[in-house]
Amino acid sequence: QKEVEQDPGPLSVPEGAIVSLNCTYSNSAFQYFMWYRQYSRKGPELLMYTYSSGNKEDGRFTAQVDKSSKYISLFIRDSQPSDSATYLCARYGGSQGNLIFGKGTKLSVKP
Amino acid sequence: NAGVTQTPKFRVLKTGQSMTLLCAQDMNHEYMYWYRQDPGMGLRLIHYSVGEGTTAKGEVPDGYNVSRLKKQNFLLGLESAAPSQTSVYFCASSYGGQGSNQPQHFGDGTRLSIL
Repeated sequence: QKEVEQDPGPLSVPEGAIVSLNCTYSNSAFQYFMWYRQYSRKGPELLMYTYSSGNKEDGRFTAQVDKSSKYISLFIRDSQPSDSATYLCARYGGSQGNLIFGKGTKLSVKP
Repeated sequence: NAGVTQTPKFRVLKTGQSMTLLCAQDMNHEYMYWYRQDPGMGLRLIHYSVGEGTTAKGEVPDGYNVSRLKKQNFLLGLESAAPSQTSVYFCASSYGGQGSNQPQHFGDGTRLSIL
């Protein structure tokens, strides 16, 4: 069931660094992947939504899917302290048709 | 535009007590979900609903019941709380389910401690 694996971190980077967050998935039948950002004591909020082919860019954020290696990546350019949060990858496809989440990677961006 | 609103935000219960968590959404979404989030376990689906008057079991439904009497509301009940149900509970809603690949929108959670 848990077909999305994510390194929990924590990951600590200096302000301005490029951040790479990764998930792996095992079932190539699934095509839609999402990245959620969760601040401390808040609910997850949708950050990016991507299909299995190609990249998607939104400001400082780029979501990428590598089908050959079954990697989902989120890149953050010019990282800011406000980017400090837990990042969750997710895909549809649970036995109930629900979203399956990775466990999240905690990111800290130091000023 | 409130989105998804959960009440209460915090609650402490004693073992054996009952309570109801309320979720309300103002986006006219058909699908609603209840998740629990535990350290090291990630988000796990408890129950979900694909429309008013319907409910279905998720990954970890035992010890919980739900009702969807109105489209905008989804209630999660604990009939006899147990310490293992100490968790952060999140409600989410979406326009469609898996087939539509619509993203889910989350509330800010209810932090529940059971002593």
